[in-house]
Amino acid sequence: AQKVTQAQTEISVVEKEDVTLDCVYETRDTTYYLFWYKQPPSGELVFLIRRNSFDEQNEISGRYSWNFQKSTSSFNFTITASQVVDSAVYFCALSEPLNAGGTSYGKLTFGQGTILTVHP
Amino acid sequence: NAGVTQTPKFQVLKTGQSMTLQCAQDMNHNSMYWYRQDPGMGLRLIYYSASEGTTDKGEVPNGYNVSRLNKREFSLRLESAAPSQTSVYFCASKDRNRNSPLHFGNGTRLTVT
Repeated sequence: AQKVTQAQTEISVVEKEDVTLDCVYETRDTTYYLFWYKQPPSGELVFLIRRNSFDEQNEISGRYSWNFQKSTSSFNFTITASQVVDSAVYFCALSEPLNAGGTSYGKLTFGQGTILTVHP
Repeated sequence: NAGVTQTPKFQVLKTGQSMTLQCAQDMNHNSMYWYRQDPGMGLRLIYYSASEGTTDKGEVPNGYNVSRLNKREFSLRLESAAPSQTSVYFCASKDRNRNSPLHFGNGTRLTVT
């Protein structure tokens, strides 16, 4: 069975600190996609990044960076110089085929989420 | 461009009442999904529709039914609401590209008393 584990339930930091959110996944598929979503206090789900299983390059977008390591089945998310506006729940998710042919993807398995609070 | 629109935003039901949650997307996406979000459990898939005319059960389908009315609309029905169905419900849609993300609606907060 597919599984995503975000072991950190809550993290609290002070503004300008760096923070890393952990994500570990389990799957038997060789082709899959990983995602991070942000859920701010307003409640909507905001897509942040996707990574496919064949691309292990790390990615940086402004203060955000992602470290994908297939060998350890991890897809960790780091916020550098955190800000109060980063306070949100962050979800890691794993996307797998919907059908046996593997031609349709979309079923996302989500982790439990990590509540990040950044204090001024 | 509205994206994914869910109605209503809030709803309170008594045990045993029925209701339908509506979802519509204007992005011409093929696939649509219903998730529920409960504290400490992330989002769990209730039902999905990979394409117009098909629906399939997800992880937690009991107590729910769905209808893919057309390519734009995917509704979720609670025939006899139970307190265990108190949750936040999210509708999402996705195009046919493998690596496309899900686009979520803003959610419906349902309370069953």
